[in-house]
Amino acid sequence: RKEVEQDPGPFNVPEGATVAFNCTYSNSASQSFFWYRQDCRKEPKLLMSVYSSGNEDGRFTAQLNRASQYISLLIRDSKLSDSATYLCVVKRSGGFKTIFGAGTRLFVKA
Amino acid sequence: DAMVIQNPRYQVTQFGKPVTLSCSQTLNHNVMYWYQQKSSQAPKLLFHYYDKDFNNEADTPDNFQSRRPNTSFCFLDIRSPGLGDAAMYLCATSRLGGAGNQPQHFGDGTRLSIL
Repeated sequence: RKEVEQDPGPFNVPEGATVAFNCTYSNSASQSFFWYRQDCRKEPKLLMSVYSSGNEDGRFTAQLNRASQYISLLIRDSKLSDSATYLCVVKRSGGFKTIFGAGTRLFVKA
Repeated sequence: DAMVIQNPRYQVTQFGKPVTLSCSQTLNHNVMYWYQQKSSQAPKLLFHYYDKDFNNEADTPDNFQSRRPNTSFCFLDIRSPGLGDAAMYLCATSRLGGAGNQPQHFGDGTRLSIL
């Protein structure tokens, strides 16, 4: 079993839709959590950190459930420009070891 | 404005011919990472430096080496590239200290092709 697992998708949604991605992690020592966005043949870019109390940045909302060991990303009012792969990233305590999920592909269509 | 800079963006080398990829940063971060990413896969951590301390992942082949001559620069050396080493190589930096919630910042990557 992979340490960080994501539904690979692809998710195909119309503009304006709300879409949610989940990510599960297996190491309970995991300390920090992030969502990155990666466009085709580009580098990953930080979308948002995920805090225990949940956090929101515009149309994006991230949630963390430590008891169940999963994090989620909700995108509201999807835009064409949201089409990308969304990577779930988990850092273990101690600060170095960073594990990436394989990513969930999102296609937003007009 | 680029804060993590990788050179070159594209590198073509011959099977078995050594190649070096470079990464520089202007963030003064104390940790630098090298990842390998193949198509439709997650980035795979090869190694990282915490200041001058080198940490190799257990499954990183011996064919991959790294150097960090100073805080700003880090190099990835592939001693004898094989066809399976064709991939995107990503350099990332982060700052360790304070709260643990420090994200990584990535360079644009170097896409390596093997002939």
